[in-house]
Amino acid sequence: DARVTQTPRHKVTEMGQEVTMRCQPILGHNTVFWYRQTMMQGLELLAYFRNRAPLDDSGMPKDRFSAEMPDATLATLKIQPSEPRDSAVYFCASGPPWSGEDTQYFGPGTRLTVL
Amino acid sequence: QQQVKQSPQSLIVQKGGISIINCAYENTAFDYFPWYQQFPGKGPALLIAIRPDVSEKKEGRFTISFNKSAKQFSLHIMDSQPGDSATYFCAASISNFGNEKLTFGTGTRLTIIP
Repeated sequence: DARVTQTPRHKVTEMGQEVTMRCQPILGHNTVFWYRQTMMQGLELLAYFRNRAPLDDSGMPKDRFSAEMPDATLATLKIQPSEPRDSAVYFCASGPPWSGEDTQYFGPGTRLTVL
Repeated sequence: QQQVKQSPQSLIVQKGGISIINCAYENTAFDYFPWYQQFPGKGPALLIAIRPDVSEKKEGRFTISFNKSAKQFSLHIMDSQPGDSATYFCAASISNFGNEKLTFGTGTRLTIIP
């Protein structure tokens, strides 16, 4: 049963610390998305990649967030320095090469708490 | 404008009843409209999706109705069951023959009571 995996599942950190979240997309998927979910803003796109190249990162605060795909099996989202307003659940999703369906498969999320 | 507006924010339906959630969009370039289901502590999962070339799509107890002229689409859950209790998100994207970013509605928390 192919799944998107995310680590860590939970992270508690103090303001100013660096946070790194990792995602392993489903094998063979070539598109990777990072979403953030909060009660106030709902689900919002931060960035996404196709074939490891960034397509859109307009949803990310550029001064503190960065997203990369070092290889096809790993996507990372970094926050430096973290702030309390970054507290949220961060989801990674992956999608297969387009075949007429645009299904995105979500991971279980990383719940981040910044104190 | 990229917004997708969803209503109601929460919904309580009796077991066996019909649950209806509505969404409206503004960007006429959107050409893919999925519904995602999310249980507490889990990531969203695709439930059903539709493209604007059809007005209705049914999969089991779940039906999407699509009104292109009104720029509205809705999810109907027939014979609602307690296991359907979850948060439902509508979404929209512009395909461009690729798996593209989704713009989500704000979500509807559905509770099915016995």
